[in-house]
Amino acid sequence: KAGVTQTPRYLIKTRGQQVTLSCSPISGHRSVSWYQQTPGQGLQFLFEYFSETQRNKGNFPGRFSGRQFSNSRSEMNVSTLELGDSALYLCASSPMRQSYGYTFGSGTRLTVV
Amino acid sequence: KQEVTQIPAALSVPEGENLVLNCSFTDSAIYNLQWFRQDPGKGLTSLLLIQSSQREQTSGRLNASLDKSSGRSTLYIAASQPGDSATYLCAVSSFYNQGGKLIFGQGTELSVKP
Repeated sequence: KAGVTQTPRYLIKTRGQQVTLSCSPISGHRSVSWYQQTPGQGLQFLFEYFSETQRNKGNFPGRFSGRQFSNSRSEMNVSTLELGDSALYLCASSPMRQSYGYTFGSGTRLTVV
Repeated sequence: KQEVTQIPAALSVPEGENLVLNCSFTDSAIYNLQWFRQDPGKGLTSLLLIQSSQREQTSGRLNASLDKSSGRSTLYIAASQPGDSATYLCAVSSFYNQGGKLIFGQGTELSVKP
């Protein structure tokens, strides 16, 4: 059974650019959540999608957005990149939101220069 | 506001020791609690999931307990091995949040010396 797949694994972008990260959940999982991990702030929740609808959102500026497609695959977008957006971005999926726990992908390492 | 704390922040033990990692949370209205391990630069690997109605879960050399009333969970690792070296994170899912959002502690960095 394939796990949660995140692409790309690594990205280097310049300040002011925008970036799109992709997450393919485990087959049959309908909930996808995104997290940002930095050495200073740890793991912080960005947002959650379930059945193509954003169900929950963390305290991040509007430059961070996401969406979920009918096949449950999800993308997150960060516009007008700042140096502070450099982080490991992790995606997690679950069959039915919080009931069964979450499985995480390997993450996308974003470096903003 | 739910806050999760993990103590100690770092731990170094010789191989073969039994050890306990601690996790505390401020709001007892949780749906479940999940323990993860993270190797450097990697994603999170789920170790154990404890539902709010459960007291403990076991998987191999790992045992996690949950005491909701005191806001505590412990992860017990028996007969530690160098391969257990990693950062261990606990995360709670709030009862009122209705899904999707895990609140993480800062983690305990474990080093098991051969």
